[in-house]
Amino acid sequence: DTGVSQNPRHKITKRGQNVTFRCDPISEHNRLYWYRQTLGQGPEFLTYFQNEAQLEKSRLLSDRFSAERPKGSFSTLEIQRTEQGDSAMYLCASSLAQGTGWTSRPEAFFGQGTRLTVV
Amino acid sequence: GNSVTQMEGPVTLSEEAFLTINCTYTATGYPSLFWYVQYPGEGLQLLLKATKADDKGSNKGFEATYRKETTSFHLEKGSVQVSDSAVYFCALTIPGGYQKVTFGIGTKLQVIP
Repeated sequence: DTGVSQNPRHKITKRGQNVTFRCDPISEHNRLYWYRQTLGQGPEFLTYFQNEAQLEKSRLLSDRFSAERPKGSFSTLEIQRTEQGDSAMYLCASSLAQGTGWTSRPEAFFGQGTRLTVV
Repeated sequence: GNSVTQMEGPVTLSEEAFLTINCTYTATGYPSLFWYVQYPGEGLQLLLKATKADDKGSNKGFEATYRKETTSFHLEKGSVQVSDSAVYFCALTIPGGYQKVTFGIGTKLQVIP
C-alpha cells in the first residue's frame, strides 16, 4: 500500500494562469475525491469519482474548475484563470466502495495535498 | 444535512497532561465517525474510527467512543507528548452514500515541554 500520492506538493502561480494537479489513489480503491482546505478551516468536498465517472460536484466547484479521471485510476484537477481566492490546499482522497470490504474499511485515505498560492 | 461541531482551539497543554477534544455531530442516518490528524504542512492521516454505537476507536494512546445517545465522539489521551502537536479533525461519513467526508473546523493542539 503506497498511499495516495499528489503532485506537485506546492504550486505558485500568477493570477490568470491555468494550473493542473495530479492525484494517484491507492490502487485497489475505486472511489476518488477532491477536497479544498483553506487556512484555519476543515477540508470541504469538491467532487467525487466512482471509477471514471464523476458522480457528484459541489457548488464550490465553479466553471473554472474541471476534474477528470480518464481511466478510473489517476485523476487531475485543473483550475483555469486562477484567482487569489483559489489559494488553498487541495487534497485528494480515495476509498473502497461498498461491497468490497467497506464495512471494515469505511475510511478515506488522504494524500499530502497540493498547496496552491496565487499571486 | 450533516455537520460536525468541535471545540475551537488552540488548546495548549503541558507535556503529560490529559487531553480532551469535544466533538458532536448531526447526521441523517447512522454515520461512521473518525478523527484525522494533520501535522504542519502535511495532509490528513486517519487517527482512529468507530462505525457503530458504543464502539471505541483507539490508536497511539488516543481513544474516542461513539456515543449515539449524545451524538458525540470526544477524543481523549491520558498523557500528551510534544510530538502530538497538530490539528485534529473530527469527521463523519454516511453509509450508502458517496462516503464523502464531512469535517469539523479542526482543533489545534500545542503541547509544550
